[in-house]
Parts: sequence; C-alpha cells; structure tokens
Amino acid sequence: AQSVTQLDSHVSVSEGTPVLLRCNYSSSYSPSLFWYVQHPNKGLQLLLKYTSAATLVKGINGFEAEFKKSETSFHLTKPSAHMSDAAEYFCVVSDSNAGGTSYGKLTFGQGTILTVHP
Amino acid sequence: DSGVTQTPKHLITATGQRVTLRCSPRSGDLSVYWYQQSLDQGLQFLIQYYNGEERAKGNILERFSAQQFPDLHSELNLSSLELGDSALYFCASSVVGRSTDTQYFGPGTRLTVL
Repeated sequence: AQSVTQLDSHVSVSEGTPVLLRCNYSSSYSPSLFWYVQHPNKGLQLLLKYTSAATLVKGINGFEAEFKKSETSFHLTKPSAHMSDAAEYFCVVSDSNAGGTSYGKLTFGQGTILTVHP
Repeated sequence: DSGVTQTPKHLITATGQRVTLRCSPRSGDLSVYWYQQSLDQGLQFLIQYYNGEERAKGNILERFSAQQFPDLHSELNLSSLELGDSALYFCASSVVGRSTDTQYFGPGTRLTVL
C-alpha cells in the first residue's frame, strides 16, 4: 500500500528566503513521486516528478526535490521564495503492485499551504 | 491550460438528485482519472479508465459510477446525492495510465448539494 505524509500543514516564509516543504512516503514497490501545486480556485499543476532516474529532480519555477530512499523522503525546496509561490502544495505517490502491473492511482498528501510575506 | 476540459464549472443541486460531470482528456491521452477534493477527506482517487475500460478503482461510492466513451471523453455520474457529496471533482488524463505517467488535471467541477 502507498501513503504520503506531509509534515507541515502550513509554512510561512519571507520573500527571497528559502522554501522547504517536507514529505515522507510509504510504498511497497517502485514508487513514482510527484509534487503538484494548487493556486486558489485553480486546478492542479505539476511542479516535478521522480520516476527512478536521477534522485535530484528539477522542476518548474526554480523548485527541486531530492528522492532519498533510505529516509523515504521527497522534500521540495526552492532557494528564494517569490510572492507568486503562495499556494497549496501536494506531495503525491504512485506505485506499481506486486505483480509489476503499473496503474495510475495517485495518493495525495494532505497538502502544505505556503504563505509568502513581503 | 492543461488541455483537459471539464463541464460544468459549478453545479448546485438538492439532496436526492442525480448529476453528470463531463471530462474531455488531452488530445492523445488514453487514460482518464476522477478525483474528489473535500475539506475533510482531502484529495482522493475515485476511478481510472483506459481506452474505454475500467482499470483501477478507489474509494468510490456505489451511488457513483463512471464511464469512458469511444471518443475517450468520460462522465462521472453521482446519484442520490447527499450533503457530504459537496466537493470539487477533478478529472485528469495521461498517455497510457502507468504509475510513471504525468497526470494533467482539469480545472474541476465544484458541486454543491443543498
């Protein structure tokens, strides 16, 4: 079974300072991991994804995440926050099953609301 | 714009009624997914279709059903609606429906049950 825990429900930073959004996952086999962002009253937009290639993944808008299997973590970072980064962020896992069959079921974390202060 | 379209954007209805939500996937995508986003449950996977066939099922209620048509658009039918069904319903699509696929999300349909 797959699951995701986002360790902070709210994160508040000042513009220009680093962002760290923490995510731990649980999966039985070979997970794919994603970060999606949701701006108010908008749909979900993919920031980046990990699918067993390079463990450091670069995404859009300066975000990146590092897959650490030993720590079962996939934290999202950005060196310098911008006001437009204020949104809700979701860490997401997708797993294959014991038979190696790969479906697309996504399991979402509870979300982290990022607030950016001027 | 993800290329996934959903109609209607908003739907207000009464308890006990039935509604249909519609989704058109991105051009070329064969797999469609439905998700429900509510304040108490968060974002939950409901069901996945691939090229017209049901592929995976999540915590979808028996009062809910879905299908994917030959032109690959999908409909989610919600019946005997309850207050607790009020939520944002997202459709997503991907190329073939593997766990490594990127899923592209539509803007959602906000359902309010009064």
